[in-house]
Amino acid sequence: AQSVAQPEDQVNVAEGNPLTVKCTYSVSGNPYLFWYVQYPNRGLQFLLKYITGDNLVKGSYGFEAEFNKSQTSFHLKKPSALVSDSALYFCAVRDQAGTALIFGKGTTLSVSS
Amino acid sequence: GAVVSQHPSRVICKSGTSVKIECRSLDFQATTMFWYRQFPKQSLMLMATSNEGSKATYEQGVEKDKFLINHASLTLSTLTVTSAHPEDSSFYICSAPHLAGVKGDTQYFGPGTRLTVL
Repeated sequence: AQSVAQPEDQVNVAEGNPLTVKCTYSVSGNPYLFWYVQYPNRGLQFLLKYITGDNLVKGSYGFEAEFNKSQTSFHLKKPSALVSDSALYFCAVRDQAGTALIFGKGTTLSVSS
Repeated sequence: GAVVSQHPSRVICKSGTSVKIECRSLDFQATTMFWYRQFPKQSLMLMATSNEGSKATYEQGVEKDKFLINHASLTLSTLTVTSAHPEDSSFYICSAPHLAGVKGDTQYFGPGTRLTVL
């Protein structure tokens, strides 16, 4: 069975500092990994995905994520956080194209000015 | 990116009534769409997979007679909550996979529908 773990309920960083939101996964086959962001009472916005190729994936709004197969991790990173990055972040996985995503529980990112 | 819309964005209804939520892919076709449910400050839970031209596939524990899904066309799926009760109050989100290039599809999500059953 597929699963995603986001070990932190909340991450707090100061504006301008680097941020990391952690994600580990478990799938039986090759993973398709995704990060989404959700603002209050809104749907999910796609940030980035890893399907194959380079382990470092760059996405929207300056975010990037690194796929680490040996550690089964796909941590989300940004070199310099903005207050506007404050939101709920979800990591998701699937093992086949076109199938539903399995989501982690989400991590609330709070960036203070 | 691709756009998925949902209507209505918010609905309040009385217990026992039925509510229909529409999910549309605006600039691409989707033979499959997914319906999720999200409780406050919790993750998204997959309810069912909507398939154009065939029956929906429901996840374990989801009542198919209560949550009716119809995939009427390649751009429209509807979720009808029948005989709604207060415990059905939740945030319902749909998504549709959009294939772009050779690196697999990306699921795009609708803005969600907040259902409140009084």
